Amino acid sequence: NAGVMQNPRHLVRRRGQEARLRCSPMKGHSHVYWYRQLPEEGLKFMVYLQKENIIDESGMPKERFSAEFPKEGPSILRIQQVVRGDSAAYFCASSPTANSGNTIYFGEGSWLTVV
Amino acid sequence: DAKTTQPTSMDCAEGRAANLPCNHSTISGNEYVYWYRQIHSQGPQYIIHGLKNNETNEMASLIITEDRKSSTLILPHATLRDTAVYYCIVRGNTGNQFYFGTGTSLTVIP
Repeated sequence: NAGVMQNPRHLVRRRGQEARLRCSPMKGHSHVYWYRQLPEEGLKFMVYLQKENIIDESGMPKERFSAEFPKEGPSILRIQQVVRGDSAAYFCASSPTANSGNTIYFGEGSWLTVV
Repeated sequence: DAKTTQPTSMDCAEGRAANLPCNHSTISGNEYVYWYRQIHSQGPQYIIHGLKNNETNEMASLIITEDRKSSTLILPHATLRDTAVYYCIVRGNTGNQFYFGTGTSLTVIP
């Protein structure tokens, strides 16, 4: 079974450009979570989605960030007009259901560098 | 979700058991205890989880106290590759997502 697949693994953007990070969950998983890890810091929850629905976006910055998980295709985390402070590792995770006994599995992350 | 408290860092000699404690005194009845680890520059790796009973898998053992207010992750024979940050997380049904604390930075010493 393929794990959670994230791409690109590394992305360099100039200030003001857009960054799109993609996440394909594990087979059979319909719940996706995005986390951000700034350099030398812990993982911070950003957003939780099910197919076609945003369930919890309490950790998303109010501006420039958006996420979607369409009926077909991967989940996308989109960052518009990137700034240097957006440089971080972005991790996606997935689970089959939202039950607390179901493990969530993480991808290897996408490293965004804003120059 | 309940908060957890872990020591900031620990050392362990290679080949010895590593015992990583976690306090979760406000845990409620339907909340699970999960352990993940993150090796530098990699995604968090699932280790083990449990509700009430002790659990064991090929990676580790999880000992949960009877009152469920604390738990211990045991790596029976630590290797250098076990050097990582270990996160103890309590998860219920209300939040669905995992909240990561600062974790314990475990260093396995040759």
